[in-house]
Amino acid sequence: EVQLVESGGGLVQPGGSLRLSCAASGFTLSNYWMAWVRQAPGMGLEWVANIKQDGGAKNYVDSVEGRFTISRDNAKNSLYLQMNSLRAEDTAVYYCARDPMRGDGYNFDYWGQGTLVTVSS
Amino acid sequence: DIQMTQSPSSVSASVGDRVTITCRASQGISSWLAWYQQKPGKAPKLLIYTASSLQSGVPSRFSGSGSGTDFTLTISSLQPEDFATYYCQQVNSFPLTFGGGTKVEIK
Repeated sequence: EVQLVESGGGLVQPGGSLRLSCAASGFTLSNYWMAWVRQAPGMGLEWVANIKQDGGAKNYVDSVEGRFTISRDNAKNSLYLQMNSLRAEDTAVYYCARDPMRGDGYNFDYWGQGTLVTVSS
Repeated sequence: DIQMTQSPSSVSASVGDRVTITCRASQGISSWLAWYQQKPGKAPKLLIYTASSLQSGVPSRFSGSGSGTDFTLTISSLQPEDFATYYCQQVNSFPLTFGGGTKVEIK
């Protein structure tokens, strides 16, 4: 059974840092593009970043470029999101998600349960 | 960036009703579109990919159509478990973008 379990969320002050982790199981992580998608309270979905199987290609939404870094460790079956210079508008539930790799674009067939990041003083 | 606009933002319907949700892209995206269902407090669930392909395990009452800039998600006979928020997503151009969501509520 495919499972994605996020951790690392919490309360952080503006300007602070946080590192999210996503533990993958039930599939071979190294075969898949992976992504982070966030959802601010009461709002819609926003794609944040994605990363190629070997970590050789990464893409970011403009609002986090230069502040967030997506990475992965396939040997540890883990995906990460390092978040620096956090702002109030980064407050959201952060989901990790798997791209099914069907050649049908970057959509997401499995999602974690999400981890809440709150940026507030 | 490609903007995705969904309408309506909410719809009230009864069990057994046919429900149609529209998604419009700000530029042509061929069939590079996915649909998701999200229930409160839960992660999104993939329903449809490449505009009209049904994800494995999704009931056949869900269907998608369209290409270019205009797309629809149809629920042929609404069931109690279908009350949720639905999102479209363009899946081909960075940044990947979602529509604002359509909440399907009980009438």
